[in-house]
Amino acid sequence: QKEVEQDPGPLSVPEGAIVSLNCTYSNSAFQYFMWYRQYSRKGPELLMYTYSSGNKEDGRFTAQVDKSSKYISLFIRDSQPSDSATYLCAMTRNSGNTPLVFGKGTRLSVIA
Amino acid sequence: GAVVSQHPSWVICKSGTSVKIECRSLDFQATTMFWYRQFPKQSLMLMATSNEGSKATYEQGVEKDKFLINHASLTLSTLTVTSAHPEDSSFYICSATGLAGELGYFGPGTRLLVL
Repeated sequence: QKEVEQDPGPLSVPEGAIVSLNCTYSNSAFQYFMWYRQYSRKGPELLMYTYSSGNKEDGRFTAQVDKSSKYISLFIRDSQPSDSATYLCAMTRNSGNTPLVFGKGTRLSVIA
Repeated sequence: GAVVSQHPSWVICKSGTSVKIECRSLDFQATTMFWYRQFPKQSLMLMATSNEGSKATYEQGVEKDKFLINHASLTLSTLTVTSAHPEDSSFYICSATGLAGELGYFGPGTRLLVL
């Protein structure tokens, strides 16, 4: 079993839809959880950063972490064509010199 | 947010030459930098972890003599691909962790094409 599982998609939704992306993980030591957006031929852009369990909202984006289920989610409200990208979840044990463990990424297309 | 830059953004070189890629933290001091490689339509693959002033730690299967990493200061790490071959063509991305808890910030990546 991989440490982080993420459905690669592709996921195609109409403009304005609510998008739900998620990852599961197996390592209970993970404490820091991130979501990245990556456009083709670009570096990953940090969207959301959550420590431990709970919800975090930033504009149209909401990140949820459920450590008891080892499950994290990213919701995108009122999706736009410009949201079309690959979304990667990532997590790590601590904020020091431990590298992030990534999911495979989900390719999202928002159709106008 | 914290800013990480990479230079060059893309490079084309002949087989057998060496290529140096720089990763800089622009507005914070990076105690640790990570180097990743990404092939088309795949996720990021960690190559190595470098801490300022010490030798890099390489992931299994990554040749340390081929991918030389130097982290000489708190704002600069370099990756040198020595004697590059076409199979080294990839997208190389760095990220940095800072003294003040800056975590998970990535550079824009460097696209390497070896002919």
